Amino acid sequence: EVQLVESGGGLVQPGGSLRLSCAASELTFSNYPMTWIRQAPGKGLEWVASISGSGESTYYADSVKGRFTIYRDNSRFTLFLQLSTLSAEDTAVYYCARGFRADPYDYWGQGTLVTVSS
Amino acid sequence: SYELSQPPSVSVSPGQTATITCSGDSLGDKFTSWYQQQPGLSPVLVIYEDTRRPSGIPERFSGSNSGNTATLTISGTQAMDEADYYCQAWDTSIVVFGGGTKLTVL
Repeated sequence: EVQLVESGGGLVQPGGSLRLSCAASELTFSNYPMTWIRQAPGKGLEWVASISGSGESTYYADSVKGRFTIYRDNSRFTLFLQLSTLSAEDTAVYYCARGFRADPYDYWGQGTLVTVSS
Repeated sequence: SYELSQPPSVSVSPGQTATITCSGDSLGDKFTSWYQQQPGLSPVLVIYEDTRRPSGIPERFSGSNSGNTATLTISGTQAMDEADYYCQAWDTSIVVFGGGTKLTVL
């Protein structure tokens, strides 16, 4: 069974930066696209960003384009999300999930909470 | 931008059939997935490619998709099925989730 474990969340001031990590248990990590999905408190799911298995292609929601960067280190089976220029609207639980487009999100991490507040 | 619409809430009696809809322009031309989220937990995939069930998902969960509407059907609904349900589709390189439906089993 694939396990995904996020880390890196916390309290950050508006305008600040943070890096989230998602460690995968599977050796076939590089075979799959990966995605970050967030959920604001009491709200629904929002797609944030995705990356191809090789890491060569990346995709972003308009709400984060230019501020967030998704990347991966396949040698360490780890997915990252660099968050910058954060605002209160970015406060959410951030989930990493395996999949993108035709590949459904079949495995999810437990989520890591990012709180943007002064 | 592409949007998916779901009813905010659906109620069902135990043992009855629950139907949750998801509407979007020409949604039937795209593959739809459904996710179940219990309070405080991560979402779980229950239906993908409109009708397919992942391993471990009970047979009472089924899906369909035609025209502008995808539907998640839960037959013989159980108390454990009470949760939020989200539909999801993708268009070119954009992923969209519906707003979610809270299923209450009364």
